[in-house]
Amino acid sequence: ETGVTQSPTHLIKTRGQQVTLRCSSQSGHNTVSWYQQALGQGPQFIFQYYREEENGRGNFPPRFSGLQFPNYSSELNVNALELDDSALYLCASSVGDGEGYTFGSGTRLTVV
Amino acid sequence: EDQVTQSPEALRLQEGESSSLNCSYTVSGLRGLFWYRQDPGKGPEFLFTLYSAGEEKEKERLKATLTKKESFLHITAPKPEDSATYLCAVMNRDDKIIFGKGTRLHILP
Repeated sequence: ETGVTQSPTHLIKTRGQQVTLRCSSQSGHNTVSWYQQALGQGPQFIFQYYREEENGRGNFPPRFSGLQFPNYSSELNVNALELDDSALYLCASSVGDGEGYTFGSGTRLTVV
Repeated sequence: EDQVTQSPEALRLQEGESSSLNCSYTVSGLRGLFWYRQDPGKGPEFLFTLYSAGEEKEKERLKATLTKKESFLHITAPKPEDSATYLCAVMNRDDKIIFGKGTRLHILP
């Protein structure tokens, strides 16, 4: 059973709308990162947070933003949705010791 | 530019037929190389982290090795339940993680 929970599991939005995806990490996991995975592709790194501060960002525009909270939960916000934003969004957390990340099962976002 | 290339894209093996998956990488300041397994509709499941050339790690039928340019995931006597997509990723000096596109492995009974 994974220690990382994502909600919702599926979501359909209209182009131009805004969306917030949520992630609840394991207690003690101070590092959380978000990924976008298109069908048949590997996950693409969006950004990473450590103790509520962003400490790494991939090649995504500013309309992708995030927050990390003291209770080990986090959010991914996407503004002005585009059709190409349709993908599986994954959250992953770690204690930050360089070991592997624990992933959630993802949120499948469809933009129509 | 940091890059991870996995080969082959897909691999079909008979049960018990051993093989290896390749992960070639170019990265600015390798902080770690990760292997994950991903089943359809699920998030990746962590398998191994390797930090330096020459390092090896094993878990059941899987063994991961690392050189300065590539990593191999060796699968010994695979079973149908080993069928999945195997993902390789690297972390660079800026804590950015780059994934490859994965190898889809199918083990036939």
